[in-house]
Amino acid sequence: ETGVTQTPRHLVMGMTNKKSLKCEQHLGHNAMYWYKQSAKKPLELMFVYNFKEQTENNSVPSRFSPECPNSSHLFLHLHTLQPEDSALYLCASSPLGENYGYTFGSGTRLTVV
Amino acid sequence: GQQLNQSPQSMFIQEGEDVSMNCTSSSIFNTWLWYKQDPGEGPVLLIALYKAGELTSNGRLTAQFGITRKDSFLNISASIPSDVGIYFCAGQPLGGSQGNLIFGKGTKLSVKP
Repeated sequence: ETGVTQTPRHLVMGMTNKKSLKCEQHLGHNAMYWYKQSAKKPLELMFVYNFKEQTENNSVPSRFSPECPNSSHLFLHLHTLQPEDSALYLCASSPLGENYGYTFGSGTRLTVV
Repeated sequence: GQQLNQSPQSMFIQEGEDVSMNCTSSSIFNTWLWYKQDPGEGPVLLIALYKAGELTSNGRLTAQFGITRKDSFLNISASIPSDVGIYFCAGQPLGGSQGNLIFGKGTKLSVKP
């Protein structure tokens, strides 16, 4: 149990589908992140939320839409994705203002068909 | 953008051997982190380094923050089968915004056949 839980663990979706990824943490952290992990590429930061406010959007296409209703929950809404969006999507959290490294969830393996 | 060069990309280990991997950057970092990722899981933080020259151990793992602040290494002594996985370095560039950790591409450790 890492303290950061992601659901679903696996997701297969068509290019016209709408789906959402969910992340929740019970560590008392107030910063949450979405990362994309593709084969043979470094982890890519997508979004950063501090105290529910989005502070970073790393030039992510609008077909990815994040939502952070409170400090414990983070969503990634997906719409009209492309096959190249298939990847492992990782959620992480950390205490705000500290560089102790992040606690990652187990990820959602997304396949777009 | 900034990149971390992590090497080697992959290596085979025999039980009992010592293992060494490193990360280099062309720019200064003020934090270095080492993570391990097992198949189907998110990265787990192994060691965090915050000062140039810092040498930190975690069991059989030892990591150092390079004096130039542009590199870091991770050593694993007396490797065991459960050490297999992918090891990532990550760093926060000097002046970088929170959440914007830069990750290396990873070093994949496998057991020697």
